Amino acid sequence: GAGVSQSPRYKVAKRGQDVALRCDPISGHVSLFWYQQALGQGPEFLTYFQNEAQLDKSGLPSDRFFAERPEGSVSTLKIQRTQQEDSAVYLCASSLDFPGSSYNEQFFGPGTRLTVL
Amino acid sequence: AQSVTQLDSHVSVSEGTPVLLRCNYSSSYSPSLFWYVQHPNKGLQLLLKYTSAATLVKGINGFEAEFKKSETSFHLTKPSAHMSDAAEYFCVVSDEDTGGFKTIFGAGTRLFVKA
Repeated sequence: GAGVSQSPRYKVAKRGQDVALRCDPISGHVSLFWYQQALGQGPEFLTYFQNEAQLDKSGLPSDRFFAERPEGSVSTLKIQRTQQEDSAVYLCASSLDFPGSSYNEQFFGPGTRLTVL
Repeated sequence: AQSVTQLDSHVSVSEGTPVLLRCNYSSSYSPSLFWYVQHPNKGLQLLLKYTSAATLVKGINGFEAEFKKSETSFHLTKPSAHMSDAAEYFCVVSDEDTGGFKTIFGAGTRLFVKA
């Protein structure tokens, strides 16, 4: 595809439900990032993958959040036992190379808006 | 540790007048710095990036930013605002500080352009 895609675009969950958010990065991109953007705020880093390796998960807010990228392409962010404070837009971004390289600009998907009732 | 401060949460300009969006950063490594724009109900789009090749960086849509190490600043400018520039702008820092790969966004500056 031409860009980063995310699905679903909108998700409504009841408190306590598990959700899974999918990210399809640009083909061939090494790096993949997940962010959480609360209303009226800037995106906050959640986790980083370099190919299939999760090299940084320091931004995951709790052990209810889990991300994977098993084959180094598609990634899934899973949130278990959702809480109201999890309501936010979840953004995925990919970049051609690793953060310290010359090709480190991130291309963002449209996001998944999660609402927890 | 990295941090980014966008000094203004809102900036309002008249169409045709200059734009200045201010950003200060801190980083213990040699950072990459970016400006992204987010139009309502649209995804984040890269405006420009700095990666130590030149201190004055030109981006899309007539935007520029100047990296000033002594002031730890990376302010975004445009000589003449257009109505279509109204959006949220984010200053971003990224580096491999102490083995991490965090990318840090500022809180954002909302630009209003008056006719």
